[in-house]
Amino acid sequence: DIQMTQSPSSVSASVGDRVTITCRASQGISSWLAWYQQKPGKAPKLLIYAASSLQRGVPSRFSGSGSGTDFTLTISSLQPEDFATYYCQQANSFPYTFGQGTKLDTK
Amino acid sequence: EVQLVESGGGLIQPGGSLRLSCAASGFTVSSDYMSWVRQAPGKGLEWVSLIYSGGNTYYADSVKGRFTISRDNSKNTVYLEMNTLRAEDTAVYYCSRRGNGGRAFDLWGQGTLVIVSS
Repeated sequence: DIQMTQSPSSVSASVGDRVTITCRASQGISSWLAWYQQKPGKAPKLLIYAASSLQRGVPSRFSGSGSGTDFTLTISSLQPEDFATYYCQQANSFPYTFGQGTKLDTK
Repeated sequence: EVQLVESGGGLIQPGGSLRLSCAASGFTVSSDYMSWVRQAPGKGLEWVSLIYSGGNTYYADSVKGRFTISRDNSKNTVYLEMNTLRAEDTAVYYCSRRGNGGRAFDLWGQGTLVIVSS
């Protein structure tokens, strides 16, 4: 199985900050990587697919990059509604796997 | 409106069985790839199973042989039949659709809670 490792596990930031979350795959996954945002008690929401494509309706302050084994999610200017937990997920091969999550909270 | 609505969760004893349902509206489940993802209390997301439009099915090792994903095209509904349930199956179960772009899950239901406990 492909292991997905996110870092950091948690990060504290302020409104307006630039935040970067990384995700590393245990083997190459091409660009078959997605990023999700989840708020407490809610279902996950797709932000980025195919490593760098912005899902329709998602603000442009979110961006993704990377290919192979190393990926990043960047929030260019943090907004109050962005405090949440973020997950990466590989869809290169079954079983699909998620990272352990990165909790983004307010400093 | 395009949406997924799960049902069927509840409290079940270890070793028991439960069937979850996921009713879709606004699109046709037989034309898409449908999946179940679960989240244990306070934990991260775990992919469980997926059914292709052609009918092929895939499972996480943790549920293989115990869970079965299926769909009823006439009801536009996807199911997850769960047998020999264990305490570690306790989780919120989400139904999701794998979109056309990048194999990502672009549509999610609200989730249904399954508690396996005596």
